[in-house]
Amino acid sequence: QSVLTQPPSVSAAPGQKVTISCSGSSSNIGNNYVSWYQQLPGTAPKLLIYDNNKRPSGIPDRFSGSKSGTSATLGITGLQTGDEADYYCGTWDSSLSAGSVFGGGTKLTVL
Amino acid sequence: QVQLQESGPGLVKPSQTLSLTCTVSGGSISSGDYYWSWIRQPPGKGLEWIGYIYYSGSTYYNPSLKSRVTISVDTSKNQFSLKLSSVTAADTAVYYCARGATMKEAFDIWGQGTMVTVSS
Repeated sequence: QSVLTQPPSVSAAPGQKVTISCSGSSSNIGNNYVSWYQQLPGTAPKLLIYDNNKRPSGIPDRFSGSKSGTSATLGITGLQTGDEADYYCGTWDSSLSAGSVFGGGTKLTVL
Repeated sequence: QVQLQESGPGLVKPSQTLSLTCTVSGGSISSGDYYWSWIRQPPGKGLEWIGYIYYSGSTYYNPSLKSRVTISVDTSKNQFSLKLSSVTAADTAVYYCARGATMKEAFDIWGQGTMVTVSS
C-alpha cells in the first residue's frame, strides 16, 4: 500500500492529452515538493518533473506538473507511442515515519 | 556527466546479508552537493526508498527497513554501499542507487539497477 495514490492505468490516443493524478496528505504533498518519474519498460526511472512543475534540461515541454493542496498532477500533451511507460510521483513525507515516498505508479497506454 | 553504477551478487540466500555498491563517475561524492540513496523495486511492483547517505557519513533510513539496513560511504573510492541483513524472498527486487540535491528533493540521476534474487 503506497503512501501516495495514483490510478493504476490511463490511456489515450496518439496526439491527445492525458493527466495522471497523485493524491497524498498534509504530511507529504501538502508541505513538500512533488517530483514525477518516467520508467520505460526494462529501464531505470527518469526524472521528468521536480519541485512540482520544473522540467530538467532535455525534458520536452509536452510534460508538465502542477500541485494543489494535497494532490499533484502530471500532464502529457501530444502523446506519442514512445510515451508508453509507468509514471511515478514522489515526495518527502514529514510524518513520524518520515522519508521519501512514492506513488504506486500509473501505466500509460497510448492506443 | 555524472553516472551511477550498481554492483554486487545477483543471488543471496535467505537469512543472509545482501551487499551492493554504487560507484559514482563524472562527479565527486565528497563535493557535499548531493545526497546518495538506495531505492528498490520488487518485480512488477512500485518503488520503495531504502535510505540516504551524505558524504560525511550521515544517514537516514526508511523506518520500515531501519533495523536491517546499513548504508556507508567510501569517499576515496567515490562509492557508497548498501547492506540489508536477514533477507527473505520479499527482498527480491531491482536495487537502484540514485542522487538527490537534498534529503527531501527529487532523484535526478539513477543507476541502471541491479536485480537481486533471494533464494536458496
